[in-house]
Amino acid sequence: NAGVTQTPKFQVLKTGQSMTLQCAQDMNHEYMSWYRQDPGMGLRLIHYSVGAGITDQGEVPNGYNVSRSTTEDFPLRLLSAAPSQTSVYFCASRKNRGSPLHFGNGTRLTVT
Amino acid sequence: QKEVEQDPGPLSVPEGAIVSLNCTYSNSAFQYFMWYRQYSRKGPELLMYTYSSGNKEDGRFTAQVDKSSKYISLFIRDSQPSDSATYLCAMSANTGNQFYFGTGTSLTVIP
Repeated sequence: NAGVTQTPKFQVLKTGQSMTLQCAQDMNHEYMSWYRQDPGMGLRLIHYSVGAGITDQGEVPNGYNVSRSTTEDFPLRLLSAAPSQTSVYFCASRKNRGSPLHFGNGTRLTVT
Repeated sequence: QKEVEQDPGPLSVPEGAIVSLNCTYSNSAFQYFMWYRQYSRKGPELLMYTYSSGNKEDGRFTAQVDKSSKYISLFIRDSQPSDSATYLCAMSANTGNQFYFGTGTSLTVIP
């Protein structure tokens, strides 16, 4: 059971570089989401998707883009990395409304 | 005011103790309540999931929800060193697509 798989596990970027964080789930979940976790701030929602072709913004969407072309994949793109985007990023999915979230093991991103 | 408040701790207890972790919330629309355990450098792992008010027990873990007080608790009986982790509460409403998380309580169980 793979569940939610995130790659890479670690990444270091220079300011202004772009990159894509990958997320894949094999549970046929319709809902997928991206969170960032910072000390003292808890988990904050960046973007989410309720199905292929449908995405919406969360609490902290600025500087991030998403798309959902398949049920399984939900990549998160940083267009021009900034030091403020240094964080741990988690992808999470759920089966349907009322179901709990299932998380991946995160990507640790440092922007210098 | 934050939607969900959780005491960050840290909490340190001897092995075998009963641990009580708590969260308060402000949104009366919340119907689904979750507790997650997060080990260092890992993703949150679902521990307990309850709907509306009441208690739920799973082994050494008991989750309680008191909607009248907007207060949820997680009790850990016979705590073990392997329970040392950060515990996050989370909740969501029947409508909408967002989950609201506490900031987490760091627990250390001393052998």
